[in-house]
Amino acid sequence: EPEVTQTPSHQVTQMGQEVILRCVPISNHLYFYWYRQILGQKVEFLVSFYNNEISEKSEIFDDQFSVERPDGSNFTLKIRSTKLEDSAMYFCASSERMRHRSNQPQHFGDGTRLSIL
Amino acid sequence: AQSVSQHNHHVILSEAASLELGCNYSYGGTVNLFWYVQYPGQHLQLLLKYFSGDPLVKGIKGFEAEFIKSKFSFNLRKPSVQWSDTAEYFCAVIDTNTGNQFYFGTGTSLTVIP
Repeated sequence: EPEVTQTPSHQVTQMGQEVILRCVPISNHLYFYWYRQILGQKVEFLVSFYNNEISEKSEIFDDQFSVERPDGSNFTLKIRSTKLEDSAMYFCASSERMRHRSNQPQHFGDGTRLSIL
Repeated sequence: AQSVSQHNHHVILSEAASLELGCNYSYGGTVNLFWYVQYPGQHLQLLLKYFSGDPLVKGIKGFEAEFIKSKFSFNLRKPSVQWSDTAEYFCAVIDTNTGNQFYFGTGTSLTVIP
């Protein structure tokens, strides 16, 4: 079964540094998402991306965050200047094109554990 | 905005016991409902989903869930748990009126004792 893959599995970064988390969605999927899970808390939506632009974003997704699909296969999340509170598990997900009132389930990657020191 | 409540934060059961995990959502319109499981050190996996039709949904690994619209609930059940069911369980909702964003519950940690 095709999977969403994320790299790296664990990223340790100094506070203030830029970090890029990478994801390869399932090849025929057109909707892409980033979520994060702070330790002990629930999974939170960050952003959704379709047709090379952001379609939705949460309050968490401020100017420090950006997403990009630099080529036909990768989907990246960039945090410009990391803060301690950015430490979390970041999940990428993808889904097929959403048909009217018939959402496709999102397939999640293994996650990248981001530790900010 | 939609919110999802999972009332049981940590459940401990012996093997062969029956399981029911509660999930309630706040929005009364058209929703799509999901249960995901996260085994230790692994990614989220879809257990089952409800879009429409029969409110009793059967998923993988013997899990099922019942959508009760009048109670805004989508409780997860399994008649007989196994040690391998030890994991974190997340209920999630898509509010079809506001887009494709998932709203997750806080999760329920299930520990099954052999």
